[in-house]
Amino acid sequence: AQSVTQLGSHVSVSEGALVLLRCNYSSSVPPYLFWYVQYPNQGLQLLLKYTTGATLVKGINGFEAEFKKSETSFHLTKPSAHMSDAAEYFCAVSGHNNDMRFGAGTRLTVKP
Amino acid sequence: DSGVTQTPKHLITATGQRVTLRCSPRSGDLSVYWYQQSLDQGLQFLIHYYNGEERAKGNILERFSAQQFPDLHSELNLSSLELGDSALYFCASSTLAEPQETQYFGPGTRLLVL
Repeated sequence: AQSVTQLGSHVSVSEGALVLLRCNYSSSVPPYLFWYVQYPNQGLQLLLKYTTGATLVKGINGFEAEFKKSETSFHLTKPSAHMSDAAEYFCAVSGHNNDMRFGAGTRLTVKP
Repeated sequence: DSGVTQTPKHLITATGQRVTLRCSPRSGDLSVYWYQQSLDQGLQFLIHYYNGEERAKGNILERFSAQQFPDLHSELNLSSLELGDSALYFCASSTLAEPQETQYFGPGTRLLVL
C-alpha cells in the first residue's frame, strides 16, 4: 500500500525566503505523486503532480517539486515566499486503484 | 472555482440521525471520489465511483454508503451518526478513472453532529 509522510506540521518563513515543504513516500509500484494546497474554508487545489518523465515538476504560483526515487522524496519548493502562499499543503500518492493517500499536511505561515 | 459543487455547505444534526450529502462533478467527468477531513484522522479516502459503478473503497464505515446516479451526480449517505462523524466531507471528480489524473475538489460540506 502507498503512503506519504510530511515532515513538519508547521513551517514558518519570512516573505521573500525560500519555501521547502518535505514529503517522503512509500510505494511498492512506481508512484503518482501530488501536491495540493488548501486555503481556509476552501477545497483542495492541485499545485503540481508527478506521473512519469521529467523528475522536476513545475506547478502553479511558482512552486516546483523534484521526484527523487533514491530518496523516496517529493519535496515542494518555491524560491521566494509571498504572503498569499500562507495555507495548508498536502502531499499525496495515488495507488493504482485510485485510492489517493494524503499526508497529514503542513501549515505554511509567511511572516512579513 | 473547480467546477465541482457540493450541497449543503453546512449541516448540523444530532447523534443517531441520517444525512445525505450531494456532489455534482465537473461537466464531463465520470469519476467521483469522497473524502473525509477531520482533525484527528486528517484527509481520508472513503470511496470512488466511476460512471455509476463502485471502483474502490477506502476507510468507509458500514454506516456510510454512497451511490452515483445516471446523471453522474453522487450522494454520500451517513446514518446512525456519532459525534466522531463531525468533519469536513469533500467530493472530487476526474475525467476517467486513471490514478495519474488530477482530482478536482469541491468546497466541501461541513458536518457537525451534536
